[in-house]
Amino acid sequence: DVKVTQSSRYLVKRTGEKVFLECVQDMDHENMFWYRQDPGLGLRLIYFSYDVKMKEKGDIPEGYSVSREKKERFSLILESASTNQTSMYLCASSLTPRDRREDEKLFFGSGTQLSVL
Amino acid sequence: DAKTTQPNSMESNEEEPVHLPCNHSTISGTDYIHWYRQLPSQGPEYVIHGLTSNVNNRMASLAIAEDRKSSTLILHRATLRDAAVYYCILRDPGLDDKIIFGKGTRLHILP
Repeated sequence: DVKVTQSSRYLVKRTGEKVFLECVQDMDHENMFWYRQDPGLGLRLIYFSYDVKMKEKGDIPEGYSVSREKKERFSLILESASTNQTSMYLCASSLTPRDRREDEKLFFGSGTQLSVL
Repeated sequence: DAKTTQPNSMESNEEEPVHLPCNHSTISGTDYIHWYRQLPSQGPEYVIHGLTSNVNNRMASLAIAEDRKSSTLILHRATLRDAAVYYCILRDPGLDDKIIFGKGTRLHILP
């Protein structure tokens, strides 16, 4: 089975801190994604990556950046955490090449609940 | 992106079939219909997807209306472990390079 591992289940940080959320997948997937999930708003895409060292903005990239130095690892960075970034963060990966996107299946980690105080 | 409409919540009895509806009246000819579900305290997981024909797998069945303006996810025999939020998603593989989740239907299973 595909495993997507997020480094922390719960994280508490202070306003202004730099925060790193790490995600690792063990199935050699090309594609990786970061979503956040908030009550009443559902899942919203922050950033995604279809290859090493490449990234694309999702629907809500403001206040975030990402890093993909290795294929298996996709990091989400909050340069200066703010209270409105308190949320559940979900990482996902998929194998499907871009020319077979109709069959793409996302595999998610269990999430990191981040609280910014 | 084409939009989907799902009920906010549904209830069903354990060991009975569950039919989860999804309306997508503005679906285009190239939109695929995907379903995911999110169990409590977990990330979403893929359930099933299809284009025009009905689809079956070990988890569920997907029934797609002939005009494709609606679809139904069918759980043949619900268990308590099927209590989750179910998301119906449209995706045009030629246009959409990402999967967009809506708010889904929260399914409650009654013992």
